[in-house]
Amino acid sequence: GAGVSQSPRYKVAKRGQDVALRCDPISGHVSLFWYQQALGQGPEFLTYFQNEAQLDKSGLPSDRFFAERPEGSVSTLKIQRTQQEDSAVYLCASSLVAGSSTDTQYFGPGTRLTVL
Amino acid sequence: GENVEQHPSTLSVQEGDSAVIKCTYSDSASNYFPWYKQELGKGPQLIIDIRSNVGEKKDQRIAVTLNKTAKHFSLHITETQPEDSAVYFCAASKGYSTLTFGKGTMLLVSP
Repeated sequence: GAGVSQSPRYKVAKRGQDVALRCDPISGHVSLFWYQQALGQGPEFLTYFQNEAQLDKSGLPSDRFFAERPEGSVSTLKIQRTQQEDSAVYLCASSLVAGSSTDTQYFGPGTRLTVL
Repeated sequence: GENVEQHPSTLSVQEGDSAVIKCTYSDSASNYFPWYKQELGKGPQLIIDIRSNVGEKKDQRIAVTLNKTAKHFSLHITETQPEDSAVYFCAASKGYSTLTFGKGTMLLVSP
């Protein structure tokens, strides 16, 4: 079946531009996560949705980062006034159930953002 | 918060050898420990996981062991093949399942 998809796969932005990254989770998955992966590092948690509710945004690095999932399916991560330190791969993951620490997270291919 | 340490950062083995990657975690409340394989340009893919009520789990050439007392867990790959070459990440979670990842191990399997 279809996995998690993300678009665009690559994005180049000039410093100061706004960008929007899209995630399509596996159909029916309740939980959705965004992670940031810097070059040569492990993914780091950004934010978590349970259906349309954003239950944890403690990992968002600044108020320039904003995420939404208005209908409980597709999610968008928006970065305003991009900075060079925002350059990274942004990964989206989804899992079937809500509130379970042992539920498998399935990752998308990521969006590689380069800020010039 | 949780802190996951992973060693080694790179590992080179000959085809057919075994490979072992080790991780430690800091939060004794963590109860789920997945291992992900990430190939170049792709997202992490789950290869095996273990829950805190189990000490060992095996799936063909891959096994994971967990020592809750010492707060460490390990990935064992036997009879390595060139297609096992990738970056491997360990992770830990608790609560509603936010994952905390290690920094990764680049495994190189030479034919």
